[in-house]
Amino acid sequence: GENVEQHPSTLSVQEGDSAVIKCTYSDSASNYFPWYKQELGKGPQLIIDIRSNVGEKKDQRIAVTLNKTAKHFSLHITETQPEDSAVYFCAASKGSGYSTLTFGKGTMLLVSP
Amino acid sequence: DVKVTQSSRYLVKRTGEKVFLECVQDMDHENMFWYRQDPGLGLRLIYFSYDVKMKEKGDIPEGYSVSREKKERFSLILESASTNQTSMYLCASRTTGANNEKLFFGSGTQLSVL
Repeated sequence: GENVEQHPSTLSVQEGDSAVIKCTYSDSASNYFPWYKQELGKGPQLIIDIRSNVGEKKDQRIAVTLNKTAKHFSLHITETQPEDSAVYFCAASKGSGYSTLTFGKGTMLLVSP
Repeated sequence: DVKVTQSSRYLVKRTGEKVFLECVQDMDHENMFWYRQDPGLGLRLIYFSYDVKMKEKGDIPEGYSVSREKKERFSLILESASTNQTSMYLCASRTTGANNEKLFFGSGTQLSVL
């Protein structure tokens, strides 16, 4: 089955800095790569996703890049703010309506004012 | 907005008890999922269901069962709770079909088994 590795497990940055979280996956058939953000006391929420036919996707201060050859993808957050503090999960799946997501172990991001 | 509601935020049970965790979604989603979340282990899939009366094992189904009698409700059952089942349990739902992989999560149930 699919295996998703996520690094780092914790990340501390100063407000305004950039943050980068990296994930690798093992199954070359995976073609859908979402990122979820989990705030304290809440369930994870989808913030951005990318499919294998695209190398990069941006949404305001967040972006995701995908390297299919190397089987890794990354989340980039620019101009970090304290409200970005949360646990972030990457995931991978084969992208069909009947596929399931395999999640990474999560990264706790702390943005200090 | 899609709402996935888990019946309890915190639950304390004793070893050997039968435990029911309930999840209800209000968006007529076909697919529903149960995950458990443990520090350092991320989210692991226990069971999922593509439709009413259907169920599929996830990655860690041992010690659990599920029930999906109605489309909106998906129950996770711990037949005989054990201390190693102390965890945060997250329910999720999504619609079906291509390009519809977005999961909607509930807020979770923190279960402590003593």
